[in-house]
Amino acid sequence: KAGVTQTPRYLIKTRGQQVTLSCSPISGHRSVSWYQQTPGQGLQFLFEYFSETQRNKGNFPGRFSGRQFSNSRSEMNVSTLELGDSALYLCASSSTGNEQFFGPGTRLTVL
Amino acid sequence: KQEVTQIPAALSVPEGENLVLNCSFTDSAIYNLQWFRQDPGKGLTSLLLIQSSQREQTSGRLNASLDKSSGRSTLYIAASQPGDSATYLCAVPSGNTPLVFGKGTRLSVIA
Repeated sequence: KAGVTQTPRYLIKTRGQQVTLSCSPISGHRSVSWYQQTPGQGLQFLFEYFSETQRNKGNFPGRFSGRQFSNSRSEMNVSTLELGDSALYLCASSSTGNEQFFGPGTRLTVL
Repeated sequence: KQEVTQIPAALSVPEGENLVLNCSFTDSAIYNLQWFRQDPGKGLTSLLLIQSSQREQTSGRLNASLDKSSGRSTLYIAASQPGDSATYLCAVPSGNTPLVFGKGTRLSVIA
């Protein structure tokens, strides 16, 4: 069974731009969660989607948004990028909301 | 608000040693705890998931224990190898957050 995939793996943007990251969950998993990882803050929860509905949201500004499609693939979007948005963005999928399986991440650098 | 603490933050051991990594959490009303491994710049690999009804879970040279009442979990690694060098993270679900993470323990196994 293929694991969680994320695209692109690396991204360089400049301040003020917007970016879209994609996550394909393990086949059959309907729950997708997104996390931001930085050296200072560690791993922080962004949002969770289940069956195309946002189920939970972390404490991030409205510039961070996401969605989930009918095939369970998910995208997250960050608008008006700031230097502090530079991070590793990880998504995880789950079938029962129990064990979470993570993808390789997208490394975003904002210049 | 759930808080997860991992001690020590970093650990260096010679190859072949047995070692214990510690994880504590403030809210004992959890239904599971998950241990992950992260190699530099990579995603998270799930190592072990312990349900709240279990006290131990084993996978190869890894053994994780859970004591909900005291808010603690340990990850025991037997006969450590240089390939075990990585950051180890523990995480618990909390309220509307699928996973709340500790800051991790960075392990170096010296050949």
